[in-house]
Amino acid sequence: EVQLLESGGGLVQPGASLRLSCAASGFTFSSYAMTWVRQAPGKGLEWVSAISTGGDDIYYADSVKGRFTISRDNSKNTLYLQMNTLRGEDTAVYFCAKVLRGWDMAFDYWGQGALVTVSS
Amino acid sequence: EIVLTQSPATLSLSPGERATLSCRASQSVSSYLAWYQQKPGQAPRLLIYDASNRATGIPARFSGSGSGTDFTLTISSLEPEDFAVYYCQQRSSWPPITFGQGTRLEIK
Repeated sequence: EVQLLESGGGLVQPGASLRLSCAASGFTFSSYAMTWVRQAPGKGLEWVSAISTGGDDIYYADSVKGRFTISRDNSKNTLYLQMNTLRGEDTAVYFCAKVLRGWDMAFDYWGQGALVTVSS
Repeated sequence: EIVLTQSPATLSLSPGERATLSCRASQSVSSYLAWYQQKPGQAPRLLIYDASNRATGIPARFSGSGSGTDFTLTISSLEPEDFAVYYCQQRSSWPPITFGQGTRLEIK
């Protein structure tokens, strides 16, 4: 059974940093691209970032470029999102998701989400 | 950036009825469109990918159609568990990957 489990969310002040982790199991993690998608309270879905199987290809939404860094450790079956210089508008539930196949960016499995709240 | 516009914003129907949800793209996305279902407090669930392919484990009452700029998600006969928010998502031209704003399917 595919499982994705996010951790690392919490309440931080504007300008602070936070690192989210996503522990994967039930599939060959190193064979699939991965992505982060966020959802502000009461709002729709916003794509944040994606990373290829080996971590060589990385893409970001303009809203987080230069502040967030996606990475993965295939030896630990874990995806990360390092978030720096956090702003109020980054407040959201952050989901990690598995890409269906290759770079075919449909997301077939999702974690339960990690809540990040940026507030003073 | 490709903008996806979903309509209607809210759809009120009764169990057993047919639901038709629309997603229109600001430019052609070929068939590179997916549909997701999200229930309160849960993660989204992939229903349809590449416009018309049902994801693993998705019931046959869910179907997708369309290409280019106009797409439809149809639920042939609504079950009580189908009342949720539905999002479309394009992967034709990215980054960024974009989602529609969602259609809320509510019980009438």
